[in-house]
Amino acid sequence: SAVISQKPSRDICQRGTSLTIQCQVDSQVTMMFWYRQQPGQSLTLIATANQGSEATYESGFVIDKFPISRPNLTFSTLTVSNMSPEDSSIYLCSVVEPSGNTIYFGEGSWLTVV
Amino acid sequence: GENVEQHPSTLSVQEGDSAVIKCTYSDSASNYFPWYKQELGKRPQLIIDIRSNVGEKKDQRIAVTLNKTAKHFSLHITETQPEDSAVYFCAAKGTSYGKLTFGQGTILTVHP
Repeated sequence: SAVISQKPSRDICQRGTSLTIQCQVDSQVTMMFWYRQQPGQSLTLIATANQGSEATYESGFVIDKFPISRPNLTFSTLTVSNMSPEDSSIYLCSVVEPSGNTIYFGEGSWLTVV
Repeated sequence: GENVEQHPSTLSVQEGDSAVIKCTYSDSASNYFPWYKQELGKRPQLIIDIRSNVGEKKDQRIAVTLNKTAKHFSLHITETQPEDSAVYFCAAKGTSYGKLTFGQGTILTVHP
């Protein structure tokens, strides 16, 4: 299976600041996906990161709040901008296994906004 | 878009009993249905998945069944053990590449 590394694994952030999360995959993948999991909730897709084009955002998520970069086929970043306590969540990146449909998740980035 | 409903939200069983979690989906074009187990403080881990051309798949104590006509799929865990205690999520992937829609999750507790 694909090995997906995320940084940071955890962080405590001040209200109003921004934090960038990195996602590195050990193989080239067409698309990378960013999910959010708020405390006690399920996972919700934020956006799809496409290499060479702008990210595609899901309803309720906007580029100004969650800018995404995808400089190559193995790396992506998600920035959580102007954070508020409501942004306290686990942020996960995921990829589709190059050989097929199987979808895997990175270890997640646990953000707490105080 | 796709909508996935998962039941029950909590499930408590005795060690050795079976546990069944059920999900329904709305998009008849969905073709991939994974199940994830999430332990406290950890990421979701894929435990089993099924594709739309298969009705049932089994891996040791875990099995998943899919009824495409009724648009529902289920996770079955037999001979449950305390280490099976976790939150379980079902998900469905429609025609959009790689995008998963998740159910609300089931908190499974296995009592020794």
